[in-house]
Amino acid sequence: LAKTTQPISMDSYEGQEVNITCSHNNIATNDYITWYQQFPSQGPRFIIQGYKTKVTNEVASLFIPADRKSSTLSLPRVSLSDTAVYYCLVGDAGSARQLTFGSGTQLTVLP
Amino acid sequence: ETGVTQSPTHLIKTRGQQVTLRCSSQSGHNTVSWYQQALGQGPQFIFQYYREEENGRGNFPPRFSGLQFPNYSSELNVNALELDDSALYLCASSLSQGSYGYTFGSGTRLTVV
Repeated sequence: LAKTTQPISMDSYEGQEVNITCSHNNIATNDYITWYQQFPSQGPRFIIQGYKTKVTNEVASLFIPADRKSSTLSLPRVSLSDTAVYYCLVGDAGSARQLTFGSGTQLTVLP
Repeated sequence: ETGVTQSPTHLIKTRGQQVTLRCSSQSGHNTVSWYQQALGQGPQFIFQYYREEENGRGNFPPRFSGLQFPNYSSELNVNALELDDSALYLCASSLSQGSYGYTFGSGTRLTVV
């Protein structure tokens, strides 16, 4: 399972775009990149998943460069309710039986 | 469509006791996984069940055991509780093993004193 590295914490202000970058230098050919969001005393919530280039849904965008050794989660116009821990996960979505979480990035959105 | 529900939400146990935590999977999901999350850490994989069989296990001792029932609900049992077992225990279900689209419950907060 590829190891991921992401910042421990980030601060932002309401209405700004937030980009959280994750490094995964040892990503394998079959690995997908997945991001989860977790609020205090709740389980993680799936945000977005991608393999290469760019993926966008109603919540976020995921940018993956050609070498796939990193990825960037982009949250447009954050609000106070986006304050949470964000986890970057890398693994083979077709056969992985476990999710491997790191310590995540604590995003704090300030008024 | 109901999500993943866990019970109880909180409980306190004494060191050496046994505990059973329960999880109801999201409708239609046949795979359930359990995770332990210590304060300030990411969730750690305990094990996964697929169609009532354990098919993956993390680095947890045998005193952590589980069951999955025909309706895909699940139990996590922990024997001989230790103080370090204090954590948030999360259940996650998915449509099939290997899917990254897991749905998590809100967890059970276990405190061992």
